[in-house]
Amino acid sequence: KQEVTQIPAALSVPEGENLVLNCSFTDSAIYNLQWFRQDPGKGLTSLLLIQSSQREQTSGRLNASLDKSSGRSTLYIAASQPGDSATYLCAVKWAADSWGKLQFGAGTQVVVTP
Amino acid sequence: GAGVSQSPSNKVTEKGKDVELRCDPISGHTALYWYRQSLGQGLEFLIYFQGNSAPDKSGLPSDRFSAERTGGSVSTLTIQRTQQEDSAVYLCASSWRPRGEETQYFGPGTRLLVL
Repeated sequence: KQEVTQIPAALSVPEGENLVLNCSFTDSAIYNLQWFRQDPGKGLTSLLLIQSSQREQTSGRLNASLDKSSGRSTLYIAASQPGDSATYLCAVKWAADSWGKLQFGAGTQVVVTP
Repeated sequence: GAGVSQSPSNKVTEKGKDVELRCDPISGHTALYWYRQSLGQGLEFLIYFQGNSAPDKSGLPSDRFSAERTGGSVSTLTIQRTQQEDSAVYLCASSWRPRGEETQYFGPGTRLLVL
């Protein structure tokens, strides 16, 4: 069964520290992987999308890596700020299912304390 | 341009009643998706539409759930004879096309509470 797992479920760090969020998936045959941010009571905001042929993507303070062989992706957020507090979700589009749906992990709830 | 919009933002209904949830995708986006987010199940796929192709309904949890997309734009998700376990946030997303580099853009969701 194809699964997407995010550990830890929750994380608290002081402002200024780097955040490291993990996502693992059970099948290396992925089409792409996306990281989303969700604020309480809001929808999802796409942060980064990594194609299966890529090893990483960067946007500002965010960097996401992808290692298909080990079934892992990591989202790094440099110099965290209180405004980074949110739930972060990773989502996989499987290669055999590339015509549509995403499969999501359960998310990591992040709190950045001032 | 405008993002994905959904209505209503909140819906409270009684068990056994039917509800309709609406999604307006980003203009020009050909693919539209419905997902459900609940405490016990996380975020799960329900159905997706791509152009005039037959929709992928593989995620619909029961035959009480149905969806349509009119004119390749607006979509309505209908839940008949609602049950308490249907209480969740229903999220809609759209993309320019389902395959390729395009990201899925999500709406704010409809929070459904079945009493």
